[in-house]
Amino acid sequence: DQQVKQNSPSLSVQEGRISILNCDYTNSMFDYFLWYKKYPAEGPTFLISISSIKDKNEDGRFTVFLNKSAKHLSLHIVPSQPGDSAVYFCAASSNFGNEKLTFGTGTRLTIIP
Amino acid sequence: DTGVSQNPRHKITKRGQNVTFRCDPISEHNRLYWYRQTLGQGPEFLTYFQNEAQLEKSRLLSDRFSAERPKGSFSTLEIQRTEQGDSAMYLCASSFPSGGEETQYFGPGTRLLVL
Repeated sequence: DQQVKQNSPSLSVQEGRISILNCDYTNSMFDYFLWYKKYPAEGPTFLISISSIKDKNEDGRFTVFLNKSAKHLSLHIVPSQPGDSAVYFCAASSNFGNEKLTFGTGTRLTIIP
Repeated sequence: DTGVSQNPRHKITKRGQNVTFRCDPISEHNRLYWYRQTLGQGPEFLTYFQNEAQLEKSRLLSDRFSAERPKGSFSTLEIQRTEQGDSAMYLCASSFPSGGEETQYFGPGTRLLVL
């Protein structure tokens, strides 16, 4: 039972344009959501998070949007840079992150120079 | 470096052998988590500790797996009688619950290959 889904295994975006990565979840108990970035042979690096009391959180070039009614979140990267090329994982937790994380299967983002 | 560290980074072993991995969390982080990631999948939860207490174990953690955090600082994950299906990246994460939102920070992982 995949409680967190990232339906796009890969995405290619031109440098300077907007990258939009999507994530859906099914468990209504999830109230804290995180995005991690992962390079090959390294551990996931935390990017940005959002709790269910908000619908948007912004940090520099990264913005996460949460639509609770649709059980959907998205990560926007503007402008996209070559160094953004990596695998992006969406993760969810209950109790505002004070529980284990449930991850999606990841989206490989490639930024085309 | 004040991040999460894991050792070894790579381990190749023969089927049936025992292996042990170590994780050193970020200083003062009292929660420590173990995850496993296989090719094409996201990390999957294995177990977690708050200080030295092991509070939850996944069904993925068979009897051949054991984890400890004896003094509430570093943790070890041991796999006995390894099988080829144990080949994966083993990830450790730590966090500090502050009464609000909690974010887990990951180490670089230990990649295990069982031949």
